Amino acid sequence: DAKTTQPNSMESNEEEPVHLPCNHSTISGTDYIHWYRQLPSQGPEYVIHGLTSNVNNRMASLAIAEDRKSSTLILHRATLRDAAVYYCILRDREGGSEKLVFGKGTKLTVNP
Amino acid sequence: KAGVTQTPRYLIKTRGQQVTLSCSPISGHRSVSWYQQTPGQGLQFLFEYFSETQRNKGNFPGRFSGRQFSNSRSEMNVSTLELGDSALYLCASSLAQAFGELFFGEGSRLTVL
Repeated sequence: DAKTTQPNSMESNEEEPVHLPCNHSTISGTDYIHWYRQLPSQGPEYVIHGLTSNVNNRMASLAIAEDRKSSTLILHRATLRDAAVYYCILRDREGGSEKLVFGKGTKLTVNP
Repeated sequence: KAGVTQTPRYLIKTRGQQVTLSCSPISGHRSVSWYQQTPGQGLQFLFEYFSETQRNKGNFPGRFSGRQFSNSRSEMNVSTLELGDSALYLCASSLAQAFGELFFGEGSRLTVL
């Protein structure tokens, strides 16, 4: 299985940008990179996903390295509501079957 | 629009028993996937159903099974429960793609004594 590695925790101040890194050195050419976040006592929430090119949506930006062995989720201006565990996930395709492979997640703390 | 609904929210079972968990997806969503979340292993993919057929499967033993009905509602079953099956079981739905934008429920927390 492809694997992802994320820092256990990160801290940011409100209104500042946050860069959440993820390493996926064993990624294959067809693996999509997904990011979800999970607030306390809730199910995960979709943030963004991409394959090769950088992606932007209303929540965040996803910067994917040229060799695809790493990616960075960028929150442009952190708010207190962004405090959550952020998961970098690979959509792994093997033998005609797909599955999601989750990392351990990064717990983001946002200071007022 | 109602979100993904999982029932029951909490349940306690004993070793050797079996359990069935239910998931109602967002209206119009045809793909339902299941996940196990534990403090030690984190989030792990169990399986995914589309049009009443298991389309994708994770690396869990055969004690874990599921099914999907014609209205896209899904159930998962765990037989011969073990202590290690204590976890938060999450269900997610999406329109059609197995892993497009997933909408998760709040989960069913299973405790095995």
